[in-house]
Amino acid sequence: NAGVTQTPKFQVLKTGQSMTLQCAQDMNHNSMYWYRQDPGMGLRLIYYSASEGTTDKGEVPNGYNVSRLNKREFSLRLESAAPSQTSVYFCASSEGTATNEKLFFGSGTQLSVL
Amino acid sequence: GNSVTQMEGPVTLSEEAFLTINCTYTATGYPSLFWYVQYPGEGLQLLLKATKADDKGSNKGFEATYRKETTSFHLEKGSVQVSDSAVYFCALKANTGRRALTFGSGTRLQVQP
Repeated sequence: NAGVTQTPKFQVLKTGQSMTLQCAQDMNHNSMYWYRQDPGMGLRLIYYSASEGTTDKGEVPNGYNVSRLNKREFSLRLESAAPSQTSVYFCASSEGTATNEKLFFGSGTQLSVL
Repeated sequence: GNSVTQMEGPVTLSEEAFLTINCTYTATGYPSLFWYVQYPGEGLQLLLKATKADDKGSNKGFEATYRKETTSFHLEKGSVQVSDSAVYFCALKANTGRRALTFGSGTRLQVQP
């Protein structure tokens, strides 16, 4: 059982380049999330999708777009990468958005923007 | 808005020492509270949770009690092991507004043999 799978694991971009981070889950979960993790700041929510066909902004959405391609997949796109987007990105999923729901996390993508 | 404040780390302890990591929160309504743990090179995984006031979450020897009167959810373990070395995140999920976890900044725990 793979759980939440993120690709790639590492990526180096130049300022202005674009890229898409892929995320897929095999637990038939309804809700999916993208977080970024920066030193001293914990995890901050970028975007989330409460259910297939819906997406909502999180705490730090600027510079990012998302696509909930189907129930399994939720991608994060950087259209024009900036050094401030250097971070570790985590995708997560949960059955739903109830307050007691547990999140399952992928192993992360380490992105450096030069 | 919702927020979580954790004690800054790193926390360095000797094996078998007592651990406390402080966590306080601000939220509207009645949130659920969580502790997640991140081992080196991995994603986060749920350690324990509590969904209402006075609930105690526990797992792997770790405990935390949901204290509404002090808006706290401190993590404790009576005797830490080297294998407990990791980053610990306190988090909340409110029952109003954005339906996603809000995390604290994380506390790194280093346990020395």
